[in-house]
Amino acid sequence: DAGVIQSPRHEVTEMGQEVTLRCKPISGHDYLFWYRQTMMRGLELLIYFNNNVPIDDSGMPEDRFSAKMPNASFSTLKIQPSEPRDSAVYFCASSRDRVIQYFGPGTRLTVL
Amino acid sequence: EDKVVQSPLSLVVHEGDTVTLNCSYEVTNFRSLLWYKQEKKAPTFLFMLTSSGIEKKSGRLSSILDKKELFSILNITATQTGDSAVYLCAVSTGTASKLTFGTGTRLQVTL
Repeated sequence: DAGVIQSPRHEVTEMGQEVTLRCKPISGHDYLFWYRQTMMRGLELLIYFNNNVPIDDSGMPEDRFSAKMPNASFSTLKIQPSEPRDSAVYFCASSRDRVIQYFGPGTRLTVL
Repeated sequence: EDKVVQSPLSLVVHEGDTVTLNCSYEVTNFRSLLWYKQEKKAPTFLFMLTSSGIEKKSGRLSSILDKKELFSILNITATQTGDSAVYLCAVSTGTASKLTFGTGTRLQVTL
């Protein structure tokens, strides 16, 4: 059974550009989470969805960040415009039981 | 604000040693505590603990929770180089599905 799939695995972009990160959760998992990991702040929850509906976006840093889940098998996290301080590893995770979360391989984002 | 603190931040041990990693928490409406192992990529799930005093065990790894003193430990016996990783502790709270993560303990096992 495939795990959580994320793309791209690496993204290098210039400040001001739009960045879109993609995630395919594990089939049958009703919960999807977006995290950001940095050396300074560790792993932080940005937003999570239940049955494609955003439940808590209190971790989204600012209006430059947005996330969508148009269907049960796909979600995007968009940053527009991107800034150097957005450089981090972004993880997507999914869960069947709300608590045990299974993480994707992450997208390493570098904003120059 | 919910807080999860792990110690030590890092440690280096020799293969065959036993290590104990600590996780303490201050959260509102505790539900469960989880341990993850993160090697180069994604965190992978190890254990979930919800009740005090009941040890969870998987091979050389074991963990226990103390809900009175608000901490958990993760033990690794007979360490191997493959145990080298960052070990993350996370706490689930309330009716929400959010996990609050600690900053992790970086373990390096040398030959």
